[in-house]
This record gives sequence, C-alpha cells and structure tokens, in this order.
Amino acid sequence: KQEVTQIPAALSVPEGENLVLNCSFTDSAIYNLQWFRQDPGKGLTSLLLIQSSQREQTSGRLNASLDKSSGRSTLYIAASQPGDSATYLCAVTSNTGKLIFGQGTTLQVKP
Amino acid sequence: DVKVTQSSRYLVKRTGEKVFLECVQDMDHENMFWYRQDPGLGLRLIYFSYDVKMKEKGDIPEGYSVSREKKERFSLILESASTNQTSMYLCASSLFPRPRTDTQYFGPGTRLTVL
Repeated sequence: KQEVTQIPAALSVPEGENLVLNCSFTDSAIYNLQWFRQDPGKGLTSLLLIQSSQREQTSGRLNASLDKSSGRSTLYIAASQPGDSATYLCAVTSNTGKLIFGQGTTLQVKP
Repeated sequence: DVKVTQSSRYLVKRTGEKVFLECVQDMDHENMFWYRQDPGLGLRLIYFSYDVKMKEKGDIPEGYSVSREKKERFSLILESASTNQTSMYLCASSLFPRPRTDTQYFGPGTRLTVL
C-alpha cells in the first residue's frame, strides 16, 4: 500500500530564507507527483506536477525534484516571503489513478 | 481558469439528517472526486467518478453515496449523518480519462459539522 510521508510537519523561517520541504513515498510505481498549497480553511491549489519520467519542474521561486527510484521529492522555495505561509501537501498518483496525499508541512514565514 | 464550486462553505446538520453536498466544475472534466480532510489523517478519498452515471469507491466510502447525473455535477450524500462525519469535504476534478492522469483542481471545501 502506497504511503506518503512529509517531513517536517511544521517549519518556521525568517523572511528571505531559502527552504526545502521533503516528501517520501513507499512505492515507486507512480504516474506523477504533485505539490499543492492549502491556505487555512481553503481548498488546494496545484503548484507543480512532475511526471514520472521527469526529474524536476520549476515555477517562479519554486522548484520541485523527483527521484522515483529512491521514493523522494523535494520542494525548494527560494527567498521565502510571508505570503508563502501555508500548508504544503505532496501527493502521488498511483497506478490505479488515485491521488495519495502526505499529511503536509505547515510553513510560517516571519517578516 | 478551471473553476470548481461547492454549494456551501459551512454547513451544520443534526445526527440522522440526510445531507447533500454539491460540486460543479465548468471545464468539461471527465473525472470528479470527493475527499474528506481531518487533522492528523490528511486527505482521504471517499468516492470518484470517471464518467456520467459511473462511480467507484475510494478508501473510505462507508456511510456515503454519490450521484453523477450530469458531467459537470458530482454530489456526495450522507444518508444518515453521524458526528464522526464532521469534517472538511473537498471536491476535485481532472481532465483526462483513466488511466492517464493530470492535475486535480480543487473546490474551496465545505466545512460540515454534525451535532
């Protein structure tokens, strides 16, 4: 059974720092991996999607990497801002087409 | 932009009531999903649908049913609400038919409280 783990569960950094969020998954048979952002009490917004054949994707200050063989992904946020404060969720699409989520990392960026 | 809307942001119901949660997407997506999100448990898939009138059970279907009479609308039904169904419910949709996959687009969520 696929399991997705995110470490750390919470992170607090000063504004301007570069940071890395980690995601690991137990079964390498995935179609893709996605990173989502969730603001308190809101729905999820897709940030980056990496297909299983890709190694990384970039969008603005965000860069996500995927190492399928080791079951790991990282989300790199450059020059963090208070507006980046949110919960970041990692999810893999299994070979049955279902999204399986990690429990998220709650990020606080202090001004 | 894809838009996924949910009928209510907040809902309060009594134990035993029948509850309908509605979700509508405006981008002609094939697939629609219902999740619930609970602290410490993350997001869990309740039901999904790959086509009109078609449904499949997710990981936690007990106590729920769904209806998809039109492509753009996917309803989650709690036949007899219980307090353990108090949760945040999130609807999502995606474009490609299985087994291809694509980004899922999420609605804003419905916070359901069952008293």
